[in-house]
Amino acid sequence: DIVMTQSPDSLAVSLGERATINCTSSQSLLHSSNNKSRLAWYQQKPGQPPRLLILWATARESGVPDRFSGSGSGTAFALTISGLLAEDVAIYFCQHYYSPPLAFGGGTKVELK
Amino acid sequence: QVQLVQSGAEVKKPGASVKVSCKASGYTFTDFDINWVRQATGQGLEWMGWMNPKSGNTGYAQKFQGRVTMTRNTSTSTAYMELTSLRSDDTAVYYCGRKAWFDPWGQGTLVTVSS
Repeated sequence: DIVMTQSPDSLAVSLGERATINCTSSQSLLHSSNNKSRLAWYQQKPGQPPRLLILWATARESGVPDRFSGSGSGTAFALTISGLLAEDVAIYFCQHYYSPPLAFGGGTKVELK
Repeated sequence: QVQLVQSGAEVKKPGASVKVSCKASGYTFTDFDINWVRQATGQGLEWMGWMNPKSGNTGYAQKFQGRVTMTRNTSTSTAYMELTSLRSDDTAVYYCGRKAWFDPWGQGTLVTVSS
C-alpha cells in the first residue's frame, strides 16, 4: 500500500506571505497512461467537507484562485499558497489516487502568524 | 450543478449497523466511481472503499473487509455504504465523493456510536 506523508503538521504564516506544504509518497505516483502523477490537494475548513484544489499534482481545479499552485512529480510534491489571505486558514491534505487503496496525508494546519 | 447529498446524522448503539446514502445529481450516475472516506473528530481522512455504479463492482480497505458493504440504486442515482458491528471508534463523519480524486464531496454524515 502507498503511504502518504505530509510536513509540517502545522504552519504559521503572516498575511501576504508564502506557505509551502510538502507531501511525499512511499512509491511513485507517475502513471504510464498519461505521464502524470496521480496526486490531489484539498482544503478543509471547520465544519465543511474538503474542497478539491489541485489534481494531477499541478492542475488547478476550476474556480480555485491562482495563488494556489501544486508542484512535484513521482514521489515528492508541494502545495504553495502565494500571498496568504485570512480565508486560506484551513487544514490541507494531499491524497494519492494511483490505485486502491487510496490514501491521504495526515494534514497540515495553516494558521495566521 | 454536480452534487452529492448524503443522509442525515445517525446515533447507533455498539453492535448495531448503519446505512448511509449518497444521492447524486447533475451528471450521469453510472459514469464515475463513488468513494467513501471517514473522519473522526479532529483527525485525518481514512479511505474506506470504492464502488463502480455501472457494474456494482466494489473494493474495500482491508481494515473494513467483512464489515462494510457498498451498493447502489441506479434508478434513483443513489449510493449506499453500510457498516456493521459498530464500535465506539466508528464514531466519525462519513463522506462520499465522486471519482478517485473526490470531486465533489458529499456534505458528510455524522455517525455517533454510543451506549
